[in-house]
Amino acid sequence: GIQVEQSPPDLILQEGANSTLRCNFSDSVNNLQWFHQNPWGQLINLFYIPSGTKQNGRLSATTVATERYSSLYISSSQTTDSGVYFCAAVSGNTPLVFGKGTRLSVIA
Amino acid sequence: DTAVSQTPKYLVTQMGNDKSIKCEQNLGHDTMYWYKQDSKKFLKIMFSYNNKELIINETVPNRFSPKSPDKAHLNLHINSLELGDSAVYFCASSRFSYNSPLHFGNGTRLTVT
Repeated sequence: GIQVEQSPPDLILQEGANSTLRCNFSDSVNNLQWFHQNPWGQLINLFYIPSGTKQNGRLSATTVATERYSSLYISSSQTTDSGVYFCAAVSGNTPLVFGKGTRLSVIA
Repeated sequence: DTAVSQTPKYLVTQMGNDKSIKCEQNLGHDTMYWYKQDSKKFLKIMFSYNNKELIINETVPNRFSPKSPDKAHLNLHINSLELGDSAVYFCASSRFSYNSPLHFGNGTRLTVT
């Protein structure tokens, strides 16, 4: 099945800094999603982005399917951005496969 | 509120017991899932139902049995609980099968002592 790898595994930022999280996948995908798990454990869907670029406030995501990667850009980070960011992909007719996540800590 | 809701939020029980987790979604979605998140935060699918029919059953011990009385509900029953079953269990739903956004419930933290 498809392999999904995320980097970096851990990231510490000063409030106000920008960051890019990376997601590489081993096969062609027809579905790519980004999720944020907040410190209370809730999993929030950030983007459904099988290709192209989308923006939502300070967050934007880009998927380049031909190069088998997706990236999540966080600008002007805030402490509320802390948590774990997951990338998940579907290849063919299989359910979403999750990466191991990037743990982000934003310090005031 | 439109959402995926699961109960209970916390479940503490002893080895050998049987327990159930309930899940309901009022989003009108056709597909529902159970995911397990282990202590290292890794998320792995357990089951997937489309319109009350089982479409995915990953390598999960048969002590775990999902039941979908209708397309808005997917419950998880676990028999003879073991220490290794301790984890957070997430219910989720999507409008269609795998190629639509996934929406999670808030999770049930199961602790087996």
